[in-house]
Amino acid sequence: GAVVSQHPSWVICKSGTSVKIECRSLDFQATTMFWYRQFPKQSLMLMATSNEGSKATYEQGVEKDKFLINHASLTLSTLTVTSAHPEDSSFYICSARSSQVLGQPQHFGDGTRLSIL
Amino acid sequence: AQKVTQAQTEISVVEKEDVTLDCVYETRDTTYYLFWYKQPPSGELVFLIRRNSFDEQNEISGRYSWNFQKSTSSFNFTITASQVVDSAVYFCALSEAGGNNRLAFGKGNQVVVIP
Repeated sequence: GAVVSQHPSWVICKSGTSVKIECRSLDFQATTMFWYRQFPKQSLMLMATSNEGSKATYEQGVEKDKFLINHASLTLSTLTVTSAHPEDSSFYICSARSSQVLGQPQHFGDGTRLSIL
Repeated sequence: AQKVTQAQTEISVVEKEDVTLDCVYETRDTTYYLFWYKQPPSGELVFLIRRNSFDEQNEISGRYSWNFQKSTSSFNFTITASQVVDSAVYFCALSEAGGNNRLAFGKGNQVVVIP
């Protein structure tokens, strides 16, 4: 149980393109999802917390207009990297909680490798 | 602010040796949760264990064991009789009760098991 699916697995596109990444909870409802970015050989950095039906909460230093997050249903959150540039190339990974109980583990998607040429 | 320190960047061991990964955390909350995740080369994060701040019992799961010491703010992870499949990056993470389940990750330990 508690499976999170992330799509696509990898994307290669030209600079200036907007890229949408989907994060789905397959067998549970997720009122809260999280988006992380990970550069090579570095840790995961939280970008934003996505709450179903409301605006996402962004971490300090993350551009809201650059990284658009939509959490329209209890099983789907999307991250759109708008007008992507080479410095946006990274590994993006989402997670979701299957329970509102504090301290429950987050379940992660398999991640999306984004390469901007 | 919550903080997690994993001092050892890369650890190489020969197969069948034991390896211990250190994790030291900082938090002002009295209620918090500690996690270990494994990230193999394929990139996905695999949940290994969760501990809450009121449960200091050590745990063993197969070749994995965890030692939680509140007195030293540490939550160390030991892999016994390591295998090549254990090669991965291991992350320690902390979530505070007042933090909406936001996870703060350590920098990770790259474990390389040499056959």
